[in-house]
Amino acid sequence: RKEVEQDPGPFNVPEGATVAFNCTYSNSASQSFFWYRQDCRKEPKLLMSVYSSGNEDGRFTAQLNRASQYISLLIRDSKLSDSATYLCVVNDITGGGNKLTFGTGTQLKVEL
Amino acid sequence: DAGVTQSPTHLIKTRGQQVTLRCSPKSGHDTVSWYQQALGQGPQFIFQYYEEEERQRGNFPDRFSGHQFPNYSSELNVNALLLGDSALYLCASSLEVASGAYEQYFGPGTRLTVT
Repeated sequence: RKEVEQDPGPFNVPEGATVAFNCTYSNSASQSFFWYRQDCRKEPKLLMSVYSSGNEDGRFTAQLNRASQYISLLIRDSKLSDSATYLCVVNDITGGGNKLTFGTGTQLKVEL
Repeated sequence: DAGVTQSPTHLIKTRGQQVTLRCSPKSGHDTVSWYQQALGQGPQFIFQYYEEEERQRGNFPDRFSGHQFPNYSSELNVNALLLGDSALYLCASSLEVASGAYEQYFGPGTRLTVT
């Protein structure tokens, strides 16, 4: 089983739609979770951090279910500029470090 | 406030050669991590440096080595390059905090092509 699993997509949605991405992780000891956004041939940019059950920032809502080892990202009122790959990321602090484990990413295309 | 910077932006090398990539962390950050991202994949953790020591390492061979300097900047060295080493190499910086907030911020990456 992969450490972090995501549906690769692509998700093609019309502008204004609500879209949800799901992610599961295998390490039950993980404490911190993140969603990063990555545009084509660019670096990942931190979108949201999730330390407790969830986090909301404008049109974006992240939720965490530790019992099911499941994280989700909801985007409301999608914009053309939301088109990107969304990476689910789990932070592993065992071994004394601060290692990020990434999913393969979910591609989102928002269309007119 | 300067973000994470990396150099060079692009690099073309031949199999068997050696390469050095450089990273300067975000102002105020003391920890540097390196990641390799192949096309169509998520970034893979190579190693992390803190207080000039390698603190954690991913599943990469010894051909991959690094260094952190007193000013927190870092280098990634790859020896005996293979075609499969072609990838985007990303540097991320973070700040050790007692709360456990380990947010990492990425530089623009170095795109390495091995021919």
